[in-house]
Amino acid sequence: GQQVMQIPQYQHVQEGEDFTTYCNSSTTLSNIQWYKQRPGGHPVFLIQLVKSGEVKKQKRLTFQFGEAKKNSSLHITATQTTDVGTYFCAGPMNSGGYQKVTFGIGTKLQVIP
Amino acid sequence: NAGVTQTPKFRVLKTGQSMTLLCAQDMNHEYMYWYRQDPGMGLRLIHYSVGEGTTAKGEVPDGYNVSRLKKQNFLLGLESAAPSQTSVYFCASSYSSLAGGYEQYFGPGTRLTVT
Repeated sequence: GQQVMQIPQYQHVQEGEDFTTYCNSSTTLSNIQWYKQRPGGHPVFLIQLVKSGEVKKQKRLTFQFGEAKKNSSLHITATQTTDVGTYFCAGPMNSGGYQKVTFGIGTKLQVIP
Repeated sequence: NAGVTQTPKFRVLKTGQSMTLLCAQDMNHEYMYWYRQDPGMGLRLIHYSVGEGTTAKGEVPDGYNVSRLKKQNFLLGLESAAPSQTSVYFCASSYSSLAGGYEQYFGPGTRLTVT
């Protein structure tokens, strides 16, 4: 079935360095969403991308949706300790007439002060 | 608004015991979901509901049952708990399916340990 692959699974960076996580799907996605989960917390919605080649920014975070709508990335510029957490991408999946959701495995980001 | 709430926050069960996890949302969302989160496995969908009175199986439904008798509530039941069901369980809700473009709102989670 459709899967959403996410890499890397873990990333340690020095504070101030940049960070990128990648999400890839075997099939074309109608949209993709990104979530952040702080340690001990629950996933929180960050953004949704819909259009081919779309780029959206939230302060130091830049989100991209590939031209073929099969991949996406999240880039953080100049990481801060507040960026610590796990970042998930999520894509829709059709199954039996209902819409389901597939989450990537997540990228756990650790920022070293 | 409380958003999505989950009861209980923590629970320890012995193998073979049963329990029900309660999820409630006050946002009038049609869709509700139950996920489990295990280290290195990400979020895996257990069951979901597209409206009051309807339920459907997700990725890992075995050993779980669900009910959606009221629009605002989504119950997850474990009839005979097994150690493999030790996990953190998250409930989520949304206006529509992800394919429709509406984000999911997650509850705080229930940490379940089965000994």
